[in-house]
Amino acid sequence: DAGITQSPRYKITETGRQVTLMCHQTWSHSYMFWYRQDLGHGLRLIYYSAAADITDKGEVPDGYVVSRSKTENFPLTLESATRSQTSVYFCASSRVSGSDTGELFFGEGSRLTVL
Amino acid sequence: GENVEQHPSTLSVQEGDSAVIKCTYSDSASNYFPWYKQELGKRPQLIIDIRSNVGEKKDQRIAVTLNKTAKHFSLHITETQPEDSAVYFCAASYNNDMRFGAGTRLTVKP
Repeated sequence: DAGITQSPRYKITETGRQVTLMCHQTWSHSYMFWYRQDLGHGLRLIYYSAAADITDKGEVPDGYVVSRSKTENFPLTLESATRSQTSVYFCASSRVSGSDTGELFFGEGSRLTVL
Repeated sequence: GENVEQHPSTLSVQEGDSAVIKCTYSDSASNYFPWYKQELGKRPQLIIDIRSNVGEKKDQRIAVTLNKTAKHFSLHITETQPEDSAVYFCAASYNNDMRFGAGTRLTVKP
């Protein structure tokens, strides 16, 4: 049972480059989420998705793009990376459906450094 | 959107003492309040949660209380142990839009 996996785990890139962080879950959970974690800010919601082809903005969506063509995948793209996007990114999934809310299962995180 | 504030940012206790972490939220529509524990270099993991129709919930040494009127909720850890040392996050959620507090770094001294 692989659960939820993120790749790459570590990435160094340069300002202006496009970066895609991948997230894959094997549980067929409906909901998937992207958070960024920065010291002093906790976990901030970037985007979330209720199902394939349904996405919603979170607290800090600017500079990020998401897609969800398949239930199991939820990639996060930084179209033109900036230094302020240096962070640890966590993908998560939840097995709830509809408007119910429940436990988030987090991936191991992807540490992104933008030079 | 929802805003969650968490206090204190750091907390140091002696082994065996109790620890209390408090959070406030802004959106009265929020109906789900989980607490996550994150050990150094690891992913956050759920330790306890409470829904808006419940005032208190316990699980062995940990408990959570919710005051909907005041829009605050608290985590209580009794008989703390060194392995409780970690960063703890509260969160508030409505319709799966889950927002987290900034975290509390708990240190339990042996």
